Amino acid sequence: TAGITQAPTSQILAAGRSMTLRCTQDMRHNAMYWYRQDLGLGLRLIHYSNTAGTTGKGEVPDGYSVSRANTDDFPLTLASAVPSQTSVYFCASSDPTGTEAFFGQGTRLTVV
Amino acid sequence: LAKTTQPISMDSYEGQEVNITCSHNNIATNDYITWYQQFPSQGPRFIIQGYKTKVTNEVASLFIPADRKSSTLSLPRVSLSDTAVYYCLVGDRSYSGAGSYQLTFGKGTKLSVIP
Repeated sequence: TAGITQAPTSQILAAGRSMTLRCTQDMRHNAMYWYRQDLGLGLRLIHYSNTAGTTGKGEVPDGYSVSRANTDDFPLTLASAVPSQTSVYFCASSDPTGTEAFFGQGTRLTVV
Repeated sequence: LAKTTQPISMDSYEGQEVNITCSHNNIATNDYITWYQQFPSQGPRFIIQGYKTKVTNEVASLFIPADRKSSTLSLPRVSLSDTAVYYCLVGDRSYSGAGSYQLTFGKGTKLSVIP
């Protein structure tokens, strides 16, 4: 079982350009999440989706958008990247009981 | 969402038992307490979850007092491979589409195991 798959693994992006970070899960989980992790700041929630067709804002949503057209995919889009969005991005999903969340391996994004 | 407070860092020697305490004074009746472990360059991994008293699995034990305002993650006989960041999360497990099951992490506790 693949679990959570993120792509790309890493990316260098010019400021002002747009980019979509991909996240796919094969566990049929309803809830999915996007986090960013910066040194000294832990994991901060960007956006979440409790079920296909719905999304919500987390702690740091500005500059990011998400969509949830189906259960498996939860892409994160940066419309116009800025250097402060340099970070490691993690996608996750949680099981129906809400007990355990499963994380991808992360996408390391550098905006220059 | 209940706010959690945990030590920023801890050091321990190999073979010792490590206890990491998390404070969550405003925990709600429906909230569960969950701990995650994160190694460098990896996503967090679920360790254990509990509601009250004591929960034990093959990795750790979780102690929750009657008032549930704190919890303690206990790692028996740590090894170098237990060096990681440990996160305490508190939240309602239920979500119904319109709910707010946000799975919020704090800064965690960086555990360093010393040979």
